[in-house]
Amino acid sequence: GAVVSQHPSWVICKSGTSVKIECRSLDFQATTMFWYRQFPKQSLMLMATSNEGSKATYEQGVEKDKFLINHASLTLSTLTVTSAHPEDSSFYICSAADRDGLGEQYFGPGTRLTVT
Amino acid sequence: AQSVSQHNHHVILSEAASLELGCNYSYGGTVNLFWYVQYPGQHLQLLLKYFSGDPLVKGIKGFEAEFIKSKFSFNLRKPSVQWSDTAEYFCAVNSGGYQKVTFGTGTKLQVIP
Repeated sequence: GAVVSQHPSWVICKSGTSVKIECRSLDFQATTMFWYRQFPKQSLMLMATSNEGSKATYEQGVEKDKFLINHASLTLSTLTVTSAHPEDSSFYICSAADRDGLGEQYFGPGTRLTVT
Repeated sequence: AQSVSQHNHHVILSEAASLELGCNYSYGGTVNLFWYVQYPGQHLQLLLKYFSGDPLVKGIKGFEAEFIKSKFSFNLRKPSVQWSDTAEYFCAVNSGGYQKVTFGTGTKLQVIP
């Protein structure tokens, strides 16, 4: 089946530093990848949609200069949290949709970010 | 804009009890519907999906869901739950032809042995 990996699975960083999270589709080509944020006891909040080779589309209220997304290839998308603050601490999840574009998404295991 | 409502936030059942989790969406056009499950400590997995055809969809692990267009609903059911079904369940919808998916707030299911 379709497998999506994320790296790292957890990271602790200091305020003001930047953190990069990778999302890879291991056995299929993902034309579109999505980045979500999940707060405790809440649902997934879509942050942005990234299409290979083009700029990401950010959801309302998500700062594009703070959450930099790059989708350089059909199997890799990266999310960089720049100048991280404690309020950025969260669980970040990526998902990937295959070329069919029928809406089914395959989810990565998530990355727990803690900013101290 | 599309939205998804899951009215049950936390459900506690005994093993062998029947399960029905409600999901309603708001979108007037063609939709694709999904149920995802997140077991403790694991990532989201697809339980079942509806794109078209038979409105009664069967998924993995004995789950099924029925799409009732007139009620904008896609409720999840299982006739007899097991302890291993303890997880959080998310309903999701996207409008046909558009990949962006909207998730409901999730329902935490706890099955007591």
